Amino acid sequence: GAVVSQHPSWVICKSGTSVKIECRSLDFQATTMFWYRQFPKQSLMLMATSNEGSKATYEQGVEKDKFLINHASLTLSTLTVTSAHPEDSSFYICSAPEGGGLTQYFGPGTRLTVL
Amino acid sequence: AQTVTQSQPEMSVQEAETVTLSCTYDTSESDYYLFWYKQPPSRQMILVIRQEAYKQQNATENRFSVNFQKAAKSFSLKISDSQLGDAAMYFCAYRPTLLIISSGSARQLTFGSGTQLTVLP
Repeated sequence: GAVVSQHPSWVICKSGTSVKIECRSLDFQATTMFWYRQFPKQSLMLMATSNEGSKATYEQGVEKDKFLINHASLTLSTLTVTSAHPEDSSFYICSAPEGGGLTQYFGPGTRLTVL
Repeated sequence: AQTVTQSQPEMSVQEAETVTLSCTYDTSESDYYLFWYKQPPSRQMILVIRQEAYKQQNATENRFSVNFQKAAKSFSLKISDSQLGDAAMYFCAYRPTLLIISSGSARQLTFGSGTQLTVLP
């Protein structure tokens, strides 16, 4: 199957700093990518839809100035958590639909810990 | 809006036995896709099986099969000959077809709350 990578896999940062998470589709092009947040033992919560060459679409309740998304190429989307606070600590997962979008492939996730 | 419900937060099965995980969903669409994803302790989401709503035949992938009841909006996953490696969180997911809506948001998945499966040796 197709491969989606995320970097870094784990990041620890101080409160008030910004953290950038990369999501790459390694063997296919993705005009759309999705960013999810997952708390322990809970389901995936969609945060935003990243669209190549245009603005991201954010879900209700997600602060777009807090979670900056850039989809600069057909294989790369980035999520920047700005002025991170301890409550932003979570597991962040990206996904990308391949081809006609029938199947989504997920990245391995990024664990963010804000001290 | 579509909703996906998994009523079993936790399930356990003896190794080599069979277990069925339940999933129901609500939608007004007639054509859509349903998925089961597995999330092991590594937290990597892995596609287990996919079902197209227009197909009456239940999907099967080796030891994994589904019981798709469109009228009842039910989509259960059966795992046969359970193995220790099957232990994971299982998520049921729904997605509308691209033919209905062409925007990027139509490709997004709606997930259930998950079922944690334990396999006992």
